[in-house]
Amino acid sequence: AQSVTQPDIHITVSEGASLELRCNYSYGATPYLFWYVQSPGQGLQLLLKYFSGDTLVQGIKGFEAEFKRSQSSFNLRKPSVHWSDAAEYFCAVINQGGKLIFGQGTELSVKP
Amino acid sequence: DTGVSQDPRHKITKRGQNVTFRCDPISEHNRLYWYRQTLGQGPEFLTYFQNEAQLEKSRLLSDRFSAERPKGSFSTLEIQRTEQGDSAMYLCASSSGSSGVNEQFFGPGTRLTVL
Repeated sequence: AQSVTQPDIHITVSEGASLELRCNYSYGATPYLFWYVQSPGQGLQLLLKYFSGDTLVQGIKGFEAEFKRSQSSFNLRKPSVHWSDAAEYFCAVINQGGKLIFGQGTELSVKP
Repeated sequence: DTGVSQDPRHKITKRGQNVTFRCDPISEHNRLYWYRQTLGQGPEFLTYFQNEAQLEKSRLLSDRFSAERPKGSFSTLEIQRTEQGDSAMYLCASSSGSSGVNEQFFGPGTRLTVL
């Protein structure tokens, strides 16, 4: 069955520190992968996506993610976190029918 | 292009009442999706339309739920005889293309509270 796992429910980092959010997927074919961010009371905003090609993808707001097929992972990274990055982050895979399958989400808190 | 809009943003209702939500997708987006998000969880797929045709419904969508997209533009999601378990954020998204494997743009959601 297709699924996405985000092992960390909540992460706290200090402002200026680096960040890595983990995502593992289970999908039979070549996955199309996404990271979305959701701020309180807001809808989901796309940070980046991986369809094919270079396994390191760049997104908005200084985020990047690396697709590793051997580990079935698509981890999100940022070299220096800003207080405004505090939000909930969702990893998702899309199936051929266009249905997004989301992980449980990781809530990011940023310490001053 | 003003993005995906949803109305209302918040709805409080009593158990047993019917509610209807509206979603206006990005103009010319032919695909429209509904998702439900409960507290502490990621969004879960409910149903989607390509133009006016409803192509897939999740098992989460009980008989009390019905969705329409009558002219291939806006969509409505109706919940009849609401239950407390229906309390959630209902998200709408739209995308272009026919393959389905395209970026989905999300609206701000409608938060439903059933008392």
